[in-house]
Amino acid sequence: EAGVVQSPRYKIIEKKQPVAFWCNPISGHNTLYWYLQNLGQGPELLIRYENEEAVDDSQLPKDRFSAERLKGVDSTLKIQPAELGDSAVYLCASSLDGMNTEAFFGQGTRLTVV
Amino acid sequence: GNSVTQMEGPVTLSEEAFLTINCTYTATGYPSLFWYVQYPGEGLQLLLKATKADDKGSNKGFEATYRKETTSFHLEKGSVQVSDSAVYFCALSDFGGAQKLVFGQGTRLTINP
Repeated sequence: EAGVVQSPRYKIIEKKQPVAFWCNPISGHNTLYWYLQNLGQGPELLIRYENEEAVDDSQLPKDRFSAERLKGVDSTLKIQPAELGDSAVYLCASSLDGMNTEAFFGQGTRLTVV
Repeated sequence: GNSVTQMEGPVTLSEEAFLTINCTYTATGYPSLFWYVQYPGEGLQLLLKATKADDKGSNKGFEATYRKETTSFHLEKGSVQVSDSAVYFCALSDFGGAQKLVFGQGTRLTINP
């Protein structure tokens, strides 16, 4: 069974440019998460989807970050415009539902803003 | 708010040594507790979990016991292997599920042959 797939694995962009990350969760998983992991830190939740609905986006900086999960499957996280401080690893995870104790993580996208 | 504090790394041990990685937490209720592991080049994987006080989670020779009185969930293994080299994250969730995981900062473990 395929795990959570993220692309790209690495991205280097200049500041003020837009960037987008893509995530394909495990088939059948209704809950999808985007996490931000700064260097040397643990992941921090940005947004959680239940199917296509964003049920917790309280930590998403909405001035420059946006996310969507059309049709309740794949998801895209976008930053526009990117800032130097956005350099980090962006992790996607999925679980059967929000009450399930196991979240499965993708390998992440490492973003470098120069 | 909820928080998790882990033993600072990096930790370097020899093969077959005993491992302890300390984890303490702050939470308003009775959270579920988790250890996740990240092997080089891979995504985070759930290693073990405990959902109530005095529960012991175990997997792959690793163990951790949910201690409410000391608000701790220390990870232990009796004899580590080179293949255990990874970054270990302690985490909690207020709701029992994965929907609001709060992670510690991670502890990098290196095992030398």
